[in-house]
Amino acid sequence: SQQGEEDPQALSIQEGENATMNCSYKTSINNLQWYRQNSGRGLVHLILIRSNEREKHSGRLRVTLDTSKKSSSLLITASRAADTASYFCATDPKGTDKLIFGTGTRLQVFP
Amino acid sequence: EPEVTQTPSHQVTQMGQEVILRCVPISNHLYFYWYRQILGQKVEFLVSFYNNEISEKSEIFDDQFSVERPDGSNFTLKIRSTKLEDSAMYFCASSKSRGGTEAFFGQGTRLTVV
Repeated sequence: SQQGEEDPQALSIQEGENATMNCSYKTSINNLQWYRQNSGRGLVHLILIRSNEREKHSGRLRVTLDTSKKSSSLLITASRAADTASYFCATDPKGTDKLIFGTGTRLQVFP
Repeated sequence: EPEVTQTPSHQVTQMGQEVILRCVPISNHLYFYWYRQILGQKVEFLVSFYNNEISEKSEIFDDQFSVERPDGSNFTLKIRSTKLEDSAMYFCASSKSRGGTEAFFGQGTRLTVV
């Protein structure tokens, strides 16, 4: 598998439900970031979690990081139709000067 | 809120032509990046730039590509002789430091090579 793979690839839920997306990576990292992309638009930074952190919250977002398993999850609570977008994890591997993006999860929230 | 701006938002060019994509990073950021996203695929790293030189580049960033910071505000990506497979969304990003801080992305330039 590639560095930065999300699952599921696609997720459909009803408004008010929680959405959980997972990301796996391969190398040691400085931090892991989650981005959101509306169709055909730019990448919006959501949250950054450092390699020495295990959990972080921002509004309705909760991110966890397990460096022993090289995995992260993004939880969106009480989802809204406006949360419909693609969500990408991006890792910042140690010793590099770049972000490596995952394959993304397409989230659709039905009203 | 400061943001990264990119121009143009959409560019159509003929195969073999040179294109320059322009970006204005956030003013107090020191690290600049170009990424691209072919339609329906993942975002791919192209190049990072710091202190007026390339700090890292990917295999995609071959001799057809170059970057420049011609003045204190702009950051450009030049593709010398475009190919059909260069058609993609190109994103510029900037960050305050290398690693450990979030990168802010522009809205992208959609390049279509015909």
